[in-house]
Amino acid sequence: GAVVSQHPSWVICKSGTSVKIECRSLDFQATTMFWYRQFPKQSLMLMATSNEGSKATYEQGVEKDKFLINHASLTLSTLTVTSAHPEDSSFYICSATLSSGKNEQYFGPGTRLTVT
Amino acid sequence: GENVEQHPSTLSVQEGDSAVIKCTYSDSASNYFPWYKQELGKRPQLIIDIRSNVGEKKDQRIAVTLNKTAKHFSLHITETQPEDSAVYFCAASSAAGKSTFGDGTTLTVKP
Repeated sequence: GAVVSQHPSWVICKSGTSVKIECRSLDFQATTMFWYRQFPKQSLMLMATSNEGSKATYEQGVEKDKFLINHASLTLSTLTVTSAHPEDSSFYICSATLSSGKNEQYFGPGTRLTVT
Repeated sequence: GENVEQHPSTLSVQEGDSAVIKCTYSDSASNYFPWYKQELGKRPQLIIDIRSNVGEKKDQRIAVTLNKTAKHFSLHITETQPEDSAVYFCAASSAAGKSTFGDGTTLTVKP
């Protein structure tokens, strides 16, 4: 149980275009999902916390207008990278928690974004 | 906010030896401390975790210890095998579920 999927697994886009990444909890309802970015040989950096039915909470330094997060249902959160630039190229990983008070996170397989 | 420091950044051991990775955290409100193993291009895999009401936890060759007073926790891998080679991350999490990760340790186990 507690499976999280992401789509797509990899994507290549041109500078200036937007890319949407989906994160789904397949066998549980996730009231909270997290979006991370990981550059090569670096740690996971939390970008934002996504709560179903409310606005996402962004970490300091993360532009909310550039990284649009929508958590429209208890099983789906989306991250849209708008007006992508080469420096946005990274590994984007989402995670979900089962319920409040239980900290364990279940990670998606990640999405490799390359902006040319 | 929370700050997690992890050492060492790289660790090379001979097969069969033990490996120890240490982390410190700053926020006394953190109450959950997972350890993840990540292989290149893959998602982090939870290998063991510990909660703040426990001092030590063991699962076969892997153990974690927690010192709440000193705000540090450690991962111990015994009888290391080449397949243990990977990047290991510690994390500290509060009740809200938000996790702060350490910078990672690249473990290499030489056959």
